Amino acid sequence: EVQLVESGGGLVKPGQSLRLSCTASDFTFGEYAMSWFRQAPGKGLEWVGFIRSNGFGGTTAYAASVKGRFTISRDDSKSIAYLHMNSLKSEDTAVYYCGRDIKCGGDCYNFDYWGQGTMVTVSS
Amino acid sequence: DIQMTQSPSSLSASVGDRVTITCRASQSISNYFNWYQQRPGKAPKLLIYAASSLQSGVPSRFSGSGSGTDFTLTISSLQPEDFATYYCQQTYTTPTFGQGTKVDFK
Repeated sequence: EVQLVESGGGLVKPGQSLRLSCTASDFTFGEYAMSWFRQAPGKGLEWVGFIRSNGFGGTTAYAASVKGRFTISRDDSKSIAYLHMNSLKSEDTAVYYCGRDIKCGGDCYNFDYWGQGTMVTVSS
Repeated sequence: DIQMTQSPSSLSASVGDRVTITCRASQSISNYFNWYQQRPGKAPKLLIYAASSLQSGVPSRFSGSGSGTDFTLTISSLQPEDFATYYCQQTYTTPTFGQGTKVDFK
């Protein structure tokens, strides 16, 4: 069964950094684009960014709210996608989810599997 | 960014009710549009993709319609497990979501 498991969340101070991991299993991870999302407490869903499969260049794109501070990378040998978060702000406090995009030969943005989420709290 | 506006923000319904949720995009997005369900404390679940296609494993009481800027999610007969929050999402460009519609017990 396809599984995505996020880890690495926790409590950090404003201005600090954190790296989240999304470990995948039971599918050929390298063939899929992966996205990160977040959900602030009691709020809706926000797409954070994605990384294409290496077959499509492994390139990335980010939401304006995190561009320049967050970076997504992937290690296909380990089936892990990473979200590197720098210069964290209180408004970055949220549950962070990773999600798998379906394969459609391009950027589909149809997320058929999601992890259970990991909480990031930014507070002094 | 394309803005997605859902209505209503919340609704109260009973088991067996027919429920309709709407979503409007700030510009035409053809059928590049999805619906998700999120139960409390859980990850979102893809219900409908390409505006009207039912994701594998999703009960047939869920249906989607629309194209362009206006879209609808219909639950034909609400079941206890359907009390949740529903989000629309556009896939025309980098994704954006509606603010959510919470369906709770009347």
